Amino acid sequence: NAGVMQNPRHLVRRRGQEARLRCSPMKGHSHVYWYRQLPEEGLKFMVYLQKENIIDESGMPKERFSAEFPKEGPSILRIQQVVRGDSAAYFCASSPPGQGSEKLFFGSGTQLSVL
Amino acid sequence: AQSVAQPEDQVNVAEGNPLTVKCTYSVSGNPYLFWYVQYPNRGLQFLLKYITGDNLVKGSYGFEAEFNKSQTSFHLKKPSALVSDSALYFCAVSSSNTGKLIFGQGTTLQVKP
Repeated sequence: NAGVMQNPRHLVRRRGQEARLRCSPMKGHSHVYWYRQLPEEGLKFMVYLQKENIIDESGMPKERFSAEFPKEGPSILRIQQVVRGDSAAYFCASSPPGQGSEKLFFGSGTQLSVL
Repeated sequence: AQSVAQPEDQVNVAEGNPLTVKCTYSVSGNPYLFWYVQYPNRGLQFLLKYITGDNLVKGSYGFEAEFNKSQTSFHLKKPSALVSDSALYFCAVSSSNTGKLIFGQGTTLQVKP
């Protein structure tokens, strides 16, 4: 049973470009969470999704950021018109239904660097 | 509002000595408490959790943590530190059984030989 898979591991973008980060949850997990870790800081919750639904997006910046978790395929975190301040490690976590805290598994993250 | 405080940016201990990494929290209702460890350029690895039950929780790699409700603390401990324990440690809290966690700022543990 593969763990939470994130790709790419490293992503370099120039200011103004779009960044797409992918997350495939563990098998049997239908809940996905995205977190951001800025340099020298802890992880900050961004968004919680179930298949085809956004459950909680209280941690998402109001502009340029969006997330989806389609019925088929990985969850995508999309950042439009990236700026230097978006440079961070983005972590995805997944859990089975009803056990979000107790069985939460994290991926290895995507390191986004904006030039 | 929920919050987690890790008052020490860094903890230094000698190999073989006991270690403690401190964590205090603020949450409405019953807390779900967690410790994670992060090695350089890696994701978070789960160490242990407190949901309910015994206040002393045992986890991976010989780590344990004690839930203290009156002091709202959940300090991470290990009786005998190893050099390989050197890493960044995060305490986290949730007020519900979802994966929406509030993380502390992290504490770097340095274990010297």
